[in-house]
Amino acid sequence: DAKTTQPNSMESNEEEPVHLPCNHSTISGTDYIHWYRQLPSQGPEYVIHGLTSNVNNRMASLAIAEDRKSSTLILHRATLRDAAVYYCILRDVGGGSNYKLTFGKGTLLTVNP
Amino acid sequence: EPEVTQTPSHQVTQMGQEVILRCVPISNHLYFYWYRQILGQKVEFLVSFYNNEISEKSEIFDDQFSVERPDGSNFTLKIRSTKLEDSAMYFCASSDTQGLNQPQHFGDGTRLSIL
Repeated sequence: DAKTTQPNSMESNEEEPVHLPCNHSTISGTDYIHWYRQLPSQGPEYVIHGLTSNVNNRMASLAIAEDRKSSTLILHRATLRDAAVYYCILRDVGGGSNYKLTFGKGTLLTVNP
Repeated sequence: EPEVTQTPSHQVTQMGQEVILRCVPISNHLYFYWYRQILGQKVEFLVSFYNNEISEKSEIFDDQFSVERPDGSNFTLKIRSTKLEDSAMYFCASSDTQGLNQPQHFGDGTRLSIL
């Protein structure tokens, strides 16, 4: 699986936007970029995914660099409930495992009141 | 919103004993997964299951582990002879298709403590 690199931790203030970066310089053309998060004492939760174009949903936005070597998860107005570990995961269409999610250490987001 | 439910939330078992962790996936989902997370470590894939057979398994999923879908609603993970190192959070997940656009929906886990 192609590797992703995320900062270990980030801090934000409540009601401010948060930009969570992810580097994936070895991404292949068939890799989708997925984001999950894990709130304290809960299972992982799907946030958003994309391939080439930027994506928006009710939880967040995903901005994908033109060369696809990096992406940014954007939380438009952080709330205390957004405090979690955020995982950037690549999923390969083209020949790697089609089943599993491979989690890294992710970014621990702290939201200050 | 439909959710994956897991029982029990906490299981304490003596080393060497068998344990069964239970999951009820989302009702129209076809693909089922188990992951585990040892305290302070990454979430690790164990196994995926589709059409009543294992689709993929990791190196962790050795002969001590088995999965079963005994009826139309439950999905279980059995550990035959537990070891101390099996202590972890075990998460069940399901998805409605294998397609890589489809998210996996996770339960809140069972904390397994081996004494």
